[in-house]
Amino acid sequence: RKEVEQDPGPFNVPEGATVAFNCTYSNSASQSFFWYRQDCRKEPKLLMSVYSSGNEDGRFTAQLNRASQYISLLIRDSKLSDSATYLCVVRDSGYALNFGKGTSLLVTP
Amino acid sequence: DAGVIQSPRHEVTEMGQEVTLRCKPISGHDYLFWYRQTMMRGLELLIYFNNNVPIDDSGMPEDRFSAKMPNASFSTLKIQPSEPRDSAVYFCASSLSRGPSYEQYFGPGTRLTVT
Repeated sequence: RKEVEQDPGPFNVPEGATVAFNCTYSNSASQSFFWYRQDCRKEPKLLMSVYSSGNEDGRFTAQLNRASQYISLLIRDSKLSDSATYLCVVRDSGYALNFGKGTSLLVTP
Repeated sequence: DAGVIQSPRHEVTEMGQEVTLRCKPISGHDYLFWYRQTMMRGLELLIYFNNNVPIDDSGMPEDRFSAKMPNASFSTLKIQPSEPRDSAVYFCASSLSRGPSYEQYFGPGTRLTVT
């Protein structure tokens, strides 16, 4: 069983829409949580960390529910440039990261 | 500043040949990670090093795979002999243990095709 599960999508949304991605993780002792973004045929890059209290970075909001072992990412006012694959990432202990398989987003004009 | 550097960017080889992938981490970073990405399995951690010492190689698929880090600025991932199922994108990433962030910085990847 994969430790980090995501809906692969694709999510096709029009510009300006709000879209939400969800992710679940299996290890209740996981310590840190992140969203990475990967453009087509490029390397993954950190989008934002996810904190227990929830956090916002511009149009992006990330939330963590430790009790349900659930992470979410909300994108408001979607732009064409938001089209990418969004990877849910969990750190159990140490410095190794567990990556979900990603959710594909396509924002259309 | 230069990011993580990987070479070659593309490699096409025949089954049975030896393949060597190379990585130069960001200067000063003390962790180095090797990943493999396929459509079926996503991004999988193969092995990681701390201060040039292998910490966890449990993700290395089999004995055909080996990785070394002879110094802080260079690492190799070798596949011998290669098989078609090894076709994937191989990423190297590095990170810095000091500070609150666990961010990993990825190289551009090596796209390997084994025919």
